[in-house]
Amino acid sequence: DTGVSQDPRHKITKRGQNVTFRCDPISEHNRLYWYRQTLGQGPEFLTYFQNEAQLEKSRLLSDRFSAERPKGSFSTLEIQRTEQGDSAMYLCASSLQQGFGNTIYFGEGSWLTVV
Amino acid sequence: DQQVKQNSPSLSVQEGRISILNCDYTNSMFDYFLWYKKYPAEGPTFLISISSIKDKNEDGRFTVFLNKSAKHLSLHIVPSQPGDSAVYFCAAKDTGTASKLTFGTGTRLQVTL
Repeated sequence: DTGVSQDPRHKITKRGQNVTFRCDPISEHNRLYWYRQTLGQGPEFLTYFQNEAQLEKSRLLSDRFSAERPKGSFSTLEIQRTEQGDSAMYLCASSLQQGFGNTIYFGEGSWLTVV
Repeated sequence: DQQVKQNSPSLSVQEGRISILNCDYTNSMFDYFLWYKKYPAEGPTFLISISSIKDKNEDGRFTVFLNKSAKHLSLHIVPSQPGDSAVYFCAAKDTGTASKLTFGTGTRLQVTL
């Protein structure tokens, strides 16, 4: 069963360092999403790609965050100059564009702790 | 502003009984609703969905009801099992977006023996 795969699952970094997360979506899915979840909250949308094009970005995505999906397959999310407020679970998800009501499938998440 | 609200942070139900999880929304442009289940340290797992043109969708032990006039949906789990203990998130898609979901804050369900 090749679901959405994320790496690394856990990352502890010092404030000010850069971190990068990788996501491999379900193979036939052309849409890929990044969400962030903090304790006691539901996942919050960050950005999404259709194939290699980044079509929407949330206001939550500050200039320190950048996401890429260079060949329309895997994606990376980089956080530069990390701050303690960046500590969260970063969730990747994918879906197949097929008209109305696309179900989004999530990976297991990447935990980031900024110390 | 919280467009999707789950006002009950927790719910405890006895095994075998019905669990009812509620969700309210404020955005009348939402046209597709989903329920996800989440275990600690894992990503959300899709459970069931419903489009705004329906008022009920059923899948095994899970049934979702949608009341558009009240902007309310609910997830029924019958019968509840200990393995159902998790956090349940309600999510909604705006008709103006491709697939971006807005989530509620979740309800922690505990199914007791």
